[in-house]
Amino acid sequence: NAGVTQTPKFQVLKTGQSMTLQCAQDMNHEYMSWYRQDPGMGLRLIHYSVGAGITDQGEVPNGYNVSRSTTEDFPLRLLSAAPSQTSVYFCASKWGNTIYFGEGSWLTVV
Amino acid sequence: DAKTTQPPSMDCAEGRAANLPCNHSTISGNEYVYWYRQIHSQGPQYIIHGLKNNETNEMASLIITEDRKSSTLILPHATLRDTAVYYCIVRVEFNYKLSFGAGTTVTVRA
Repeated sequence: NAGVTQTPKFQVLKTGQSMTLQCAQDMNHEYMSWYRQDPGMGLRLIHYSVGAGITDQGEVPNGYNVSRSTTEDFPLRLLSAAPSQTSVYFCASKWGNTIYFGEGSWLTVV
Repeated sequence: DAKTTQPPSMDCAEGRAANLPCNHSTISGNEYVYWYRQIHSQGPQYIIHGLKNNETNEMASLIITEDRKSSTLILPHATLRDTAVYYCIVRVEFNYKLSFGAGTTVTVRA
């Protein structure tokens, strides 16, 4: 997975709560991104970043916030969790010409 | 990015070659073909990619037709651990936003 570390691996939230999914890599990768995967579906891009201080929206950005203050970290924030955000979240970073994914964070919103 | 079409599922006998087709008839000259796989509940794993030449690595071979409208991923000696969902993705050069379809569910049987 090219050194992409995600935490936590599992989380249960109540509707309306906020939380941050952490993603870190220590190989100086400039490009990082967040995807979500709902049951039986392919991954969908939430947000991405091409470098520190630069972020942009992907296909499904609503309800999520990101920042990139350092090259190493790319946290994904849920400001007010909703049941529709129950999903598996994958962080990814680019090494060379290829995107590598982390192991995923399972989030359940009740 | 060009759209891809893959069969929804296929079976393969352990030890035999698995040939996974992908149609990308609208591919442009600067679009790469990437293959990922996702073993149950894990992050997508990069397998191989190519532009127009056939490619081989320790995991698989990628055969791209001369007109680039289709490709085939070959797993030379499938094992039970190759059971996964395989995604064929077309990506424009310098654009690292990946678009995942439903993929092909490959089941390797003993």
